[in-house]
Amino acid sequence: EVQLVESGGGLVQPGGSLRLSCVASGFTFNTYWMHWVRQAPGEGLVWISRMNSDGTITNYADSVKGRFTISRDNAKNTLYLQMNSLRAEDTAVYYCARGGYITDFWGQGTLVTVSS
Amino acid sequence: DIQMTQSPSSLSASVGDRVTITCRASQGISSYLAWYQQKPGKVPKLLIYGASTLQSGVPSRFSGSGSGTDFTLTISSLQPEDVATYYCQKYNSAPWTFGQGTKVEVK
Repeated sequence: EVQLVESGGGLVQPGGSLRLSCVASGFTFNTYWMHWVRQAPGEGLVWISRMNSDGTITNYADSVKGRFTISRDNAKNTLYLQMNSLRAEDTAVYYCARGGYITDFWGQGTLVTVSS
Repeated sequence: DIQMTQSPSSLSASVGDRVTITCRASQGISSYLAWYQQKPGKVPKLLIYGASTLQSGVPSRFSGSGSGTDFTLTISSLQPEDVATYYCQKYNSAPWTFGQGTKVEVK
């Protein structure tokens, strides 16, 4: 069974940092591109970032470029999102999702709240 | 960047009705268009990719069409379990932009 389990969310002050993790199981993680997508409370889906299977290619949304860094450890079947200089508008549920161009499986998400 | 615009933002229809949602890209994206369904409190689920290819396990009452800039998602006979917000997403190149969503309710 394919599983993606995100963790690392929580309450952080503006300007702070947080690292999210997404542990994958039930499929060959090191052959898949992976994405991060977020959803602010009551709002729509916003694509954040994408990384290829060996970690050598990344893409970012303009809204997070220079502040967020996607990475992965294929030995641990884990995708990461390092988030720095957090702002109130970064408050959202963050989902990791499997796929190259299309995302065919999503995790349950982890909530990040940026507030003083 | 290419913008994705969905219409309507919300709709209410009766069980058995035919429902159509439109997604328009600000520039041509060929057929690099996916549709997702997000039920209340749930994780998004892939319905259609390549503008018209049904993901495995998705009921055949869902269909997609279009290419270039104009796309549609059709539910041929609305069911109570189809209550959800539907999103289109382009994936021809970064950024992988979503539409703003269309909320579908049952009367």
